[in-house]
Amino acid sequence: AQTVTQSQPEMSVQEAETVTLSCTYDTSESDYYLFWYKQPPSRQMILVIRQEAYKQQNATENRFSVNFQKAAKSFSLKISDSQLGDAAMYFCAYRDANTGNQFYFGTGTSLTVIP
Amino acid sequence: KAGVTQTPRYLIKTRGQQVTLSCSPISGHRSVSWYQQTPGQGLQFLFEYFSETQRNKGNFPGRFSGRQFSNSRSEMNVSTLELGDSALYLCASSFWTGTGGLYEQYFGPGTRLTVT
Repeated sequence: AQTVTQSQPEMSVQEAETVTLSCTYDTSESDYYLFWYKQPPSRQMILVIRQEAYKQQNATENRFSVNFQKAAKSFSLKISDSQLGDAAMYFCAYRDANTGNQFYFGTGTSLTVIP
Repeated sequence: KAGVTQTPRYLIKTRGQQVTLSCSPISGHRSVSWYQQTPGQGLQFLFEYFSETQRNKGNFPGRFSGRQFSNSRSEMNVSTLELGDSALYLCASSFWTGTGGLYEQYFGPGTRLTVT
């Protein structure tokens, strides 16, 4: 079965600084998708960024970017110019491309932004 | 468009009882997935329904069941509740983007179930 590991239960960053959240995954599939979701204290899960495994170029969404290393099965999230509103739980998620809509999530990283 | 709605938002039940949770997906979304979120286990996939059929199922006991109606609304049922079933239950609705196997998934606010 696919597994997703987030080895940093908690992280903190100074406002305006950059922070990187780590994620590794295990799969025997070659075609899949990777995601980072954000869950603020209000509990509504929001998609932050998505990466297709067949794309070599790292995805970027404004201040959020990923470092996708397919051979190493690594998928880290970089948040630049951190803002107070970035404080949340961040979940890394994996989904096979060909087996329906089943997502595998990591256990999450709680990010604190220090003013 | 209205987002994913879940009812009720909070629920307190006693061990041994059963509970039904409801999820209304975003209009036009045919896929509905359910997840159990606990502090120790994170998010764990329960099942996915697509056009009224269960398409995927996670590793949960048979006490956890679900269904989907013709309007894509979904319910999940937990029978013979145990203390360990206390969790946040998240529903997510999805639509196919038209690109390969990629679906866009949107989550609801969740139902907080407490079993005493």
